[in-house]
Amino acid sequence: GAVVSQHPSRVICKSGTSVKIECRSLDFQATTMFWYRQFPKKSLMLMATSNEGSKATYEQGVEKDKFLINHASLTLSTLTVTSAHPEDSSFYICSARQYRQPTSTDTQYFGPGTRLTVL
Amino acid sequence: AQSVAQPEDQVNVAEGNPLTVKCTYSVSGNPYLFWYVQYPNRGLQFLLKYITGDNLVKGSYGFEAEFNKSQTSFHLKKPSALVSDSALYFCAVRDGYGGATNKLIFGTGTLLAVQP
Repeated sequence: GAVVSQHPSRVICKSGTSVKIECRSLDFQATTMFWYRQFPKKSLMLMATSNEGSKATYEQGVEKDKFLINHASLTLSTLTVTSAHPEDSSFYICSARQYRQPTSTDTQYFGPGTRLTVL
Repeated sequence: AQSVAQPEDQVNVAEGNPLTVKCTYSVSGNPYLFWYVQYPNRGLQFLLKYITGDNLVKGSYGFEAEFNKSQTSFHLKKPSALVSDSALYFCAVRDGYGGATNKLIFGTGTLLAVQP
């Protein structure tokens, strides 16, 4: 299947600093990427949907000024957690959507996740 | 609104036995259903999907799922479980197919534990 990478896989930062997480689709172009947050033993919570070249669409309750999303190219999206606090500690997972015509392939592939710990 | 339910938090099965992980769905139109697996501290891996066609869908690692419209179910199955199948399994429904804003809606996940 298609490959999605995330970097870094793990990051520890001090409270008040900003952290950037990169998500790349390695072997396909993704017009749409998604960012999820997962708490321990919990399902994935969709944070936002980003389309290449346009502003991200945030889910209700997600602070767009705190979680900045940029989808600069068809293979790269970034999530920046600004002024991070301990409650932002979580597992962040990105996903890239592969959509192809004429086979009408429409599948989401997920990155390996980034473990953020804010001290 | 679209939703999926995974009624079991955990499923225990002995190695070599068949396994079933349950999922039921609620959609307003055609269902587009997916199964993903997550190993510890990893992202989700795509297993299989149902869009249209045969009710029995075959996927990765020997898994299959049966779409049952009358019971609104999409249970994940495998004839013979392996210890390495132990992981967290998510059922998901897409609120449409082929549209730019379609989103995956996940169930709460089922932890599969396969005992040797």
